[in-house]
Amino acid sequence: NAGVTQTPKFQVLKTGQSMTLQCAQDMNHEYMSWYRQDPGMGLRLIHYSVGAGITDQGEVPNGYNVSRSTTEDFPLRLLSAAPSQTSVYFCASNPGTGGSSPLHFGNGTRLTVT
Amino acid sequence: DAKTTQPPSMDCAEGRAANLPCNHSTISGNEYVYWYRQIHSQGPQYIIHGLKNNETNEMASLIITEDRKSSTLILPHATLRDTAVYYCIVRVANFGNEKLTFGTGTRLTIIP
Repeated sequence: NAGVTQTPKFQVLKTGQSMTLQCAQDMNHEYMSWYRQDPGMGLRLIHYSVGAGITDQGEVPNGYNVSRSTTEDFPLRLLSAAPSQTSVYFCASNPGTGGSSPLHFGNGTRLTVT
Repeated sequence: DAKTTQPPSMDCAEGRAANLPCNHSTISGNEYVYWYRQIHSQGPQYIIHGLKNNETNEMASLIITEDRKSSTLILPHATLRDTAVYYCIVRVANFGNEKLTFGTGTRLTIIP
């Protein structure tokens, strides 16, 4: 099993550009989520999904869109990149059985917006 | 979700037990205590979790106080590879509510 796979590993964007961060999991997990990590701030939830076709906002959703058309994939779209979106982005998944099962994280995408 | 409080940093000698405390005084009855760690800028790695009872696995032990307001992660024989940021989080048990709050964690440094 590959687990949670994120691509790309690194990305540099100019202000105003758009892009999609990819996240795929091969564990048939119902729950998937996106976090961003900034220095000194821990991980903050951007968006999450409890199953295909269902998404919801997290703590810091502004500037980001998500969709969940399949169980395996949960892409994160930056509509118009801003320097404030420079961060490390982590995708995570979980079987969807609630707090009794751990989240599995990908290895992240490091995004720089100039 | 309940919030957690951890010391910002700790040191531990190699080969000794590392004891990392976490306060979660507002934890609810259906919230689990989870521990993750992050080495450099890799993705968070799951360590252990528990609800009420103490737990042990191949990586660590988790001690939860009887009132559940605090817990301690124990790495029994710390190695240099255990140097990382350790996060304590609480998490509800209901399907569909997976909003987690990661704080700033404890930076554990293992000293040779």
